[in-house]
Amino acid sequence: DAKTTQPNSMESNEEEPVHLPCNHSTISGTDYIHWYRQLPSQGPEYVIHGLTSNVNNRMASLAIAEDRKSSTLILHRATLRDAAVYYCILRDGDGGGADGLTFGKGTHLIIQP
Amino acid sequence: NAGVMQNPRHLVRRRGQEARLRCSPMKGHSHVYWYRQLPEEGLKFMVYLQKENIIDESGMPKERFSAEFPKEGPSILRIQQVVRGDSAAYFCASSPSRGSTEAFFGQGTRLTVV
Repeated sequence: DAKTTQPNSMESNEEEPVHLPCNHSTISGTDYIHWYRQLPSQGPEYVIHGLTSNVNNRMASLAIAEDRKSSTLILHRATLRDAAVYYCILRDGDGGGADGLTFGKGTHLIIQP
Repeated sequence: NAGVMQNPRHLVRRRGQEARLRCSPMKGHSHVYWYRQLPEEGLKFMVYLQKENIIDESGMPKERFSAEFPKEGPSILRIQQVVRGDSAAYFCASSPSRGSTEAFFGQGTRLTVV
């Protein structure tokens, strides 16, 4: 799987939008962009995934650049419960379950009350 | 519908002992994955199992580690003759099929080797 680059940490205020960037300049045409997050002392939790078009679900939105070399996870209104490490992961193809996911260091999101 | 259940949540073993970690997947899920997270590091894939079969063990250490997912009962990750370097959080995930996009992770077992 191609490599992703994320900032080590970000801070935001409660009830404000948060934009978490991810660079993946070596992404291939069949790589899907997945986001997981890991709350303190918990296992990872799926957030969202996409291929080319922007995606929305109840948790977040995913904005994918036109050249697909970068993407942004958007939390529309952060709460204290969103404080977690967010992982941007590339996966060849749409399926695969949790087979061989490559978790990097992720972005540690800190939410200030 | 209960989530992925892992037990024990915390396990302490002396060097040289065996550690057995259990994972019960979500109801209806027949695919199980094990990951290890060393202190201050990201999660690393270890092994992927379907009922009674190992599908992908490319991340498993060659020695002392084994995994099974029997027809009945939970999946077991077994570590023989544990060493201090095995101290980590071990997470299990499950999915209903190989084609699933989303996998569900348990809360992990934190193994401490003293």
